[in-house]
Amino acid sequence: DGGITQSPKYLFRKEGQNVTLSCEQNLNHDAMYWYRQDPGQGLRLIYYSQIVNDFQKGDIAEGYSVSREKKESFPLTVTSAQKNPTAFYLCASRLHGNEKLFFGSGTQLSVL
Amino acid sequence: QKEVEQDPGPLSVPEGAIVSLNCTYSNSAFQYFMWYRQYSRKGPELLMYTYSSGNKEDGRFTAQVDKSSKYISLFIRDSQPSDSATYLCAMRGGNNDMRFGAGTRLTVKP
Repeated sequence: DGGITQSPKYLFRKEGQNVTLSCEQNLNHDAMYWYRQDPGQGLRLIYYSQIVNDFQKGDIAEGYSVSREKKESFPLTVTSAQKNPTAFYLCASRLHGNEKLFFGSGTQLSVL
Repeated sequence: QKEVEQDPGPLSVPEGAIVSLNCTYSNSAFQYFMWYRQYSRKGPELLMYTYSSGNKEDGRFTAQVDKSSKYISLFIRDSQPSDSATYLCAMRGGNNDMRFGAGTRLTVKP
């Protein structure tokens, strides 16, 4: 089955710790995105990547880092510099020329 | 000012009512306009997509875009309890970044 997979579903971070959220797609999509969702704030763009080895900052990139070494993978690292990381994180992908975003099922990150 | 403004609601209507959801935007470069539906703690799913000003209909759903006013709408006719969800508008310009509104939480009561 083709799709986009996020893991883990739930993640807990200790203060000062970096954590990495996984996002894998087997749809052969070109573009991949990371969004953060807080209650009442919709989806805010963290980073996006149009092609392998290239990515751009979104509106709230501070405290986050990404890599795009393979077309199918776009992991997000939440660094210790992100002081308020508790949120629901959504990864999405899109084929160039098609406006439909395919979303993963999300990762809920909480601070211990 | 946010690039995309959407009233987060919540909005509660009786079954069978017509629902109107709206977004305004400030970036004239936005060309592609979408509506997504999100059930609690799930990934959003695409409902409607429009490119130009005008109306687009799909079953009980109608999407409307007015580029001159920077205003988009989604109408739901004969609303059902299964329509209860959060509705997010989204839009994109020439870049590949996709911007979302805050989402409106809709409850349709039987």
